[in-house]
Amino acid sequence: AQSVSQHNHHVILSEAASLELGCNYSYGGTVNLFWYVQYPGQHLQLLLKYFSGDPLVKGIKGFEAEFIKSKFSFNLRKPSVQWSDTAEYFCAVMNNAGNMLTFGGGTRLMVKP
Amino acid sequence: DAGVIQSPRHEVTEMGQEVTLRCKPISGHNSLFWYRQTMMRGLELLIYFNNNVPIDDSGMPEDRFSAKMPNASFSTLKIQPSEPRDSAVYFCASSPLDLGTQYFGPGTRLLVL
Repeated sequence: AQSVSQHNHHVILSEAASLELGCNYSYGGTVNLFWYVQYPGQHLQLLLKYFSGDPLVKGIKGFEAEFIKSKFSFNLRKPSVQWSDTAEYFCAVMNNAGNMLTFGGGTRLMVKP
Repeated sequence: DAGVIQSPRHEVTEMGQEVTLRCKPISGHNSLFWYRQTMMRGLELLIYFNNNVPIDDSGMPEDRFSAKMPNASFSTLKIQPSEPRDSAVYFCASSPLDLGTQYFGPGTRLLVL
């Protein structure tokens, strides 16, 4: 069975700081990888996704993520965070056998103004 | 498109009562998913449908929970009888069958007293 680990449960940053949120998955086959964001009181929205091709994926709002197959990782990055990035971030993996997503436990990011 | 529509947005009920949550997926999407989100357990997949057929309901907590999808544009998640531990936010999501990305609804915030 596939699983996803997000080791940082809570992250607090000041505005303009750089962000990197870790995501590791366990699955031996080909995977599709996703980052979703959930702003306070709202539903999950897709930030970016990786299916194939360039392992450096750029998403909305200046976010990017890098797929490193050898490390089973798909870390999310942003060079300079804003207060409006305060949210919970979920990494998710989907295997090619179906369309089920397995989510990580989420990372709560708080950006101090 | 209006996106995934869920109703009600908020539900407060007493223990033992029946609760019915409703979802209208995005038109043309073949897959529909029901998730539950709690602080303790994070985001859990309860059940998902492909072309109106339940594919995997292994996440349904117990027999008190049931889900139906009578047609491509409507699904229900029913809890009977409800218990306080069922209090959570319930999300519905839909996706085109072969493309993987899931689009989430706004969620139903359920409180069972």
